[in-house]
Amino acid sequence: EDQVTQSPEALRLQEGESSSLNCSYTVSGLRGLFWYRQDPGKGPEFLFTLYSAGEEKEKERLKATLTKKESFLHITAPKPEDSATYLCAPRGAAGNKLTFGGGTRVLVKP
Amino acid sequence: NAGVTQTPKFRILKIGQSMTLQCAQDMNHNYMYWYRQDPGMGLKLIYYSVGAGITDKGEVPNGYNVSRSTTEDFPLRLELAAPSQTSVYFCASSYFQKNTGELFFGEGSRLTVL
Repeated sequence: EDQVTQSPEALRLQEGESSSLNCSYTVSGLRGLFWYRQDPGKGPEFLFTLYSAGEEKEKERLKATLTKKESFLHITAPKPEDSATYLCAPRGAAGNKLTFGGGTRVLVKP
Repeated sequence: NAGVTQTPKFRILKIGQSMTLQCAQDMNHNYMYWYRQDPGMGLKLIYYSVGAGITDKGEVPNGYNVSRSTTEDFPLRLELAAPSQTSVYFCASSYFQKNTGELFFGEGSRLTVL
């Protein structure tokens, strides 16, 4: 069974204080790892897809990286508008379904 | 573009009542999904569909039913509502191509069963 764990559960940052979120996964035949952002009261919004170990993707202050067992979401010099819950979701060999982690709630204070 | 539209946004049910959550997408996506999200938890897949007339169970299908008669619509039926079904329900769609799988989500339907 595919498993994914995100840590920490919550993260409080000062504006400009860089940090990293972790996504550990056990998936048979990884066919992509997806990062989503979810604002309160909204549905998740797609950020990145990573396919192979060593791959990196960037978007504004966010950078996602992938190893064979983990993915990291680095937030560089965050701003209050980066406050959200970040979800990771690996897709296994079955291909049709994503397994979502519990998310990391990020709060960036000015 | 409307994207993925869910109705209703909020609903309170009594134990034993039934209802249907509606989901419609206008992106001509072939894949559609229903997830539930409990407070502080990730999304759990209830049912999904790879095209009109084809549905399959996800991780937590008990107490729910779905149908997919058109590409656009994917309603979720709750029969005999129970307090354990109190949750936020998200519908999503995607155009499945090799090595993609970006899901587009609706804004959610918050259901309370009392």
